[in-house]
Amino acid sequence: QKEVEQNSGPLSVPEGAIASLNCTYSDRGSQSFFWYRQYSGKSPELIMSIYSNGDKEDGRFTAQLNKASQYVSLLIRDSQPSDSATYLCAVIDLRDYKLSFGAGTTVTVRA
Amino acid sequence: IAGITQAPTSQILAAGRRMTLRCTQDMRHNAMYWYRQDLGLGLRLIHYSNTAGTTGKGEVPDGYSVSRANTDDFPLTLASAVPSQTSVYFCASSPGQGESYNEQFFGPGTRLTVL
Repeated sequence: QKEVEQNSGPLSVPEGAIASLNCTYSDRGSQSFFWYRQYSGKSPELIMSIYSNGDKEDGRFTAQLNKASQYVSLLIRDSQPSDSATYLCAVIDLRDYKLSFGAGTTVTVRA
Repeated sequence: IAGITQAPTSQILAAGRRMTLRCTQDMRHNAMYWYRQDLGLGLRLIHYSNTAGTTGKGEVPDGYSVSRANTDDFPLTLASAVPSQTSVYFCASSPGQGESYNEQFFGPGTRLTVL
């Protein structure tokens, strides 16, 4: 069973600040990494995918992957109240193509 | 464009009853999945299908069955519901090919309560 650990929340940041979310995984066979955003009472929404070491930027979101350290992170720049949600880290092992999720980190952006 | 639809939105069910949760996608994705989400336990995979005609067991398959007769539909059946199956159920799909092979997209969910 793959383990995916996220930094415990909740995380509260002021509007305009950077929110930093961290995720570690136990299985070195993991090859693909995803961040999902889930608003309360809604379904998970894919916001970032990253497959190679380094940074990937998409708008105000930056995903960072370090396979040697088995670490993936998500930065949210210029945080907005609409970013208030639970963020789920997910990893997939290409040997079985099954996605394993972390428990999630709840982010609250204070106006 | 609907993406993934699930039915019903919510359901209250008596223990011992049979229930089928429906899932339909219009994206022609090869792979489909069923998850349950419980407070404190996160999302857990129940069953999956990599392509029409094939299915596989996930992390928590007991008490559930699935079928994949065609590309679009992936129903989940609880043969005899028990209270521990009270949960929010999400169906998801992924292309199964191309650059976004493994990117999974989720339906709106079904909230099931078993009394």
